[in-house]
Amino acid sequence: GAGVSQSPSNKVTEKGKDVELRCDPISGHTALYWYRQSLGQGLEFLIYFQGNSAPDKSGLPSDRFSAERTGGSVSTLTIQRTQQEDSAVYLCASSLVGGRGPGYEQYFGPGTRLTVT
Amino acid sequence: AQSVAQPEDQVNVAEGNPLTVKCTYSVSGNPYLFWYVQYPNRGLQFLLKYITGDNLVKGSYGFEAEFNKSQTSFHLKKPSALVSDSALYFCAVRDKAAGNKLTFGGGTRVLVKP
Repeated sequence: GAGVSQSPSNKVTEKGKDVELRCDPISGHTALYWYRQSLGQGLEFLIYFQGNSAPDKSGLPSDRFSAERTGGSVSTLTIQRTQQEDSAVYLCASSLVGGRGPGYEQYFGPGTRLTVT
Repeated sequence: AQSVAQPEDQVNVAEGNPLTVKCTYSVSGNPYLFWYVQYPNRGLQFLLKYITGDNLVKGSYGFEAEFNKSQTSFHLKKPSALVSDSALYFCAVRDKAAGNKLTFGGGTRVLVKP
């Protein structure tokens, strides 16, 4: 079946502009995650959504970062007033949650490469 | 807090030789452990996981990993490496008590030479 999709694949923006990154999870997956991959910081957790529960925002680096998930499916990560240090690959993942079977692994999308000039 | 260490930035191996990528972890509770592989300009692909049960876990593409609780390790192994195994490998841990987020190691680049 279809995997996790993300758009755009590449985004170049000027410092100070706002950007929106989109993630479409695997159909039926109730959990959705955002991570950031950068040369200096490796892979960092940003935020996690599970069903209708309040999201775990503990990884967001500043209040310029926010995310929402509409209808329990598509998610948008928004970065306001972008800075050069925001340049990274933003990865989205989804998973089933619960049980001892395949519910624990996360499936990743191809990522959005954000470059702030 | 949970953490993962991959002590080798790069591993070089000749095709046909055994491949080992090292990973150690630290969690406060019971760990769930994962290996992912990333090919150039691609997202992360799931290889295998340890949740409970048999300490030797078999995964995709002939990879396996052994969970060692006393050494807090989860090394990835492949008996005979292929050139196509050249990629970036990430070990990750999820502490059940800490929620569902994954904490990743810094990654190990594997280069398999013909």
